Amino acid sequence: DAKTTQPPSMDCAEGRAANLPCNHSTISGNEYVYWYRQIHSQGPQYIIHGLKNNETNEMASLIITEDRKSSTLILPHATLRDTAVYYCIVRAFNSGNTPLVFGKGTRLSVIA
Amino acid sequence: DTGVSQDPRHKITKRGQNVTFRCDPISEHNRLYWYRQTLGQGPEFLTYFQNEAQLEKSRLLSDRFSAERPKGSFSTLEIQRTEQGDSAMYLCASSLSSLADDEQYFGPGTRLTVT
Repeated sequence: DAKTTQPPSMDCAEGRAANLPCNHSTISGNEYVYWYRQIHSQGPQYIIHGLKNNETNEMASLIITEDRKSSTLILPHATLRDTAVYYCIVRAFNSGNTPLVFGKGTRLSVIA
Repeated sequence: DTGVSQDPRHKITKRGQNVTFRCDPISEHNRLYWYRQTLGQGPEFLTYFQNEAQLEKSRLLSDRFSAERPKGSFSTLEIQRTEQGDSAMYLCASSLSSLADDEQYFGPGTRLTVT
């Protein structure tokens, strides 16, 4: 079973920041938070991951609370192409022999 | 395009027929994963290869399913005696074990419809 909880759906106005929450209250010390997204009819796409510090890349920012029990993925200026299902996954680092465990994710709809 | 490719993209078959899907990973990637995704659900792990060795199989992978990666490059997933419950998207992903974060790159999937 997935070890994360996400809202089933969210809306965001185009050009505004999209803030997607994730609860992972049972996260272990060696587990990272990963985010993937899946645009309709495509395979999942890696976005970002982090352990305890905030992370930023060209796609998004990841804010992890100090107790690591929750996190927020931020898309700073959402576009229509960001409409997708976003999955928050916890996974031990350097654990290539451990598959990704997906929940149902959050369906983000970016509205013009 | 040097990403993960899957063939075919769509397959419609009658119940009881056998089907085979192919996945070509990113060329230098030594790890290859198969996942299955049904409507409204996230992908579910089926099996995993490191080079040609199949290292893990999910309980979802019944004995009607078999996967191979004979030369450590492309992989095939075969479903024998298909059932309507096998209708799903079958996703392949690959990764490079020498990278600490072992990011998985997914293909576009093969959508199977069993009638």
